[in-house]
Amino acid sequence: DAGVIQSPRHEVTEMGQEVTLRCKPISGHDYLFWYRQTMMRGLELLIYFNNNVPIDDSGMPEDRFSAKMPNASFSTLKIQPSEPRDSAVYFCASTGTGNTGELFFGEGSRLTVL
Amino acid sequence: SQQGEEDPQALSIQEGENATMNCSYKTSINNLQWYRQNSGRGLVHLILIRSNEREKHSGRLRVTLDTSKKSSSLLITASRAADTASYFCATVRTYSGAGSYQLTFGKGTKLSVIP
Repeated sequence: DAGVIQSPRHEVTEMGQEVTLRCKPISGHDYLFWYRQTMMRGLELLIYFNNNVPIDDSGMPEDRFSAKMPNASFSTLKIQPSEPRDSAVYFCASTGTGNTGELFFGEGSRLTVL
Repeated sequence: SQQGEEDPQALSIQEGENATMNCSYKTSINNLQWYRQNSGRGLVHLILIRSNEREKHSGRLRVTLDTSKKSSSLLITASRAADTASYFCATVRTYSGAGSYQLTFGKGTKLSVIP
C-alpha cells in the first residue's frame, strides 16, 4: 500500500496568494483528517471527513481556509488569501471504520508564506 | 483544544538506557494512542491501549494506562540512537452519531538518545 500521499511537500508563496494542498488517503479508509503543526501550537485538528462528508470543521481558523473531499480518494485544503501566520506543516491522515482508530499520516506539506 | 499533555517536554538519555514519557488527559476516553515523529516526517502510530486495559507491550515498548488518574506512560527499553524522535500521545473519544470521532494530540516529548 502506498500510504497517505500529500502534495506538494514544500510550498513557498507570498502573502495574499492562494495555496492548495492535496491529499490522497489510503484506499478503503473512510475517515480523512487535516492537521496543522506549528512549534507554538503543536498539532491542531482543522477538519475531518467521514465518507467524504465534513463532520467537524470547528478547527478551521477562519473563512480563508476551506477543505473539500469530492470523492473517496482525494481531498484538498485551500487557503485564500494566505498570510505569514499560516506558515506551518499541514498533515493529512486517514483511517478506516474497521480500525481501532489509529491514524495513518502523510509526510506533510510544509508551507511558508512570505 | 489539546487534551493530552506529555511530560517531560524533552528527554536526553544514553543509548541502552530506558526512556519513560508520561501523558495526562482531562476527560473520559475510548482509547489512548502513542505516535512517533522523526524530524521532518509524518507521525507513525506505535501502540494503542483501550480504556479497559491497564498495560500493553509491543517489542521494546510498554504502555500503561491509569484511567482513575487520567494518565498514561510510554516506556522504551534499551533505547537506541534510532529512537531519537518526538513522541506524542493522542486520546480518542467516539460519540453516538454518524462519524463522530475525536482524536486529540498533546504537544509531545522530544527524545534524544545519545550514542
